[in-house]
Amino acid sequence: NAGVTQTPKFQVLKTGQSMTLQCAQDMNHEYMSWYRQDPGMGLRLIHYSVGAGITDQGEVPNGYNVSRSTTEDFPLRLLSAAPSQTSVYFCASKGGREVWDTQYFGPGTRLTVL
Amino acid sequence: GENVEQHPSTLSVQEGDSAVIKCTYSDSASNYFPWYKQELGKRPQLIIDIRSNVGEKKDQRIAVTLNKTAKHFSLHITETQPEDSAVYFCAASQRGGGNKLTFGTGTQLKVEL
Repeated sequence: NAGVTQTPKFQVLKTGQSMTLQCAQDMNHEYMSWYRQDPGMGLRLIHYSVGAGITDQGEVPNGYNVSRSTTEDFPLRLLSAAPSQTSVYFCASKGGREVWDTQYFGPGTRLTVL
Repeated sequence: GENVEQHPSTLSVQEGDSAVIKCTYSDSASNYFPWYKQELGKRPQLIIDIRSNVGEKKDQRIAVTLNKTAKHFSLHITETQPEDSAVYFCAASQRGGGNKLTFGTGTQLKVEL
């Protein structure tokens, strides 16, 4: 049981390039989400999904796309990277739909956009 | 939407002392308040949480209190140890709307020997 995994761990992009951050979980969790973490700003929700085929926007969705074709995977796509997207990205999942179900975070991806 | 404010941003205590971190929230419909600990370079991990129908919850050296009327909640760490040094985040969530978590901006706790 690997929990929540993310790839890559580190990535450097040039402005305008596109890429996909991968997130997978093997706990059969319905709920998955993406956060970005910037110094002094805590974690901010980008997009989330309550199940396969269902996604919705969080607090800071602009510049990011998501899809959820399977329960296990929830990739985050940057269509045209900008320096403002330099951040640490965390994927998270939780097993149930109750608000108090524990959310588990992945190890993070540190992204730098030049 | 929900807004969570967290204070202080940095906190330095001597080993063995107590530490208190405070958060306020804006949406009275929020009913779940977790606390996460994040060590340097690591992922956030849940350390304790509290639901809105409970005023206080304790787990060994850590405790959380909730004042629904004032819309604030606090994390208390007693007998601090060097391994408590980390960034602590509070968060708030409510049923519906995807059960989204709104995080505070974090508190860097340093426990000095």
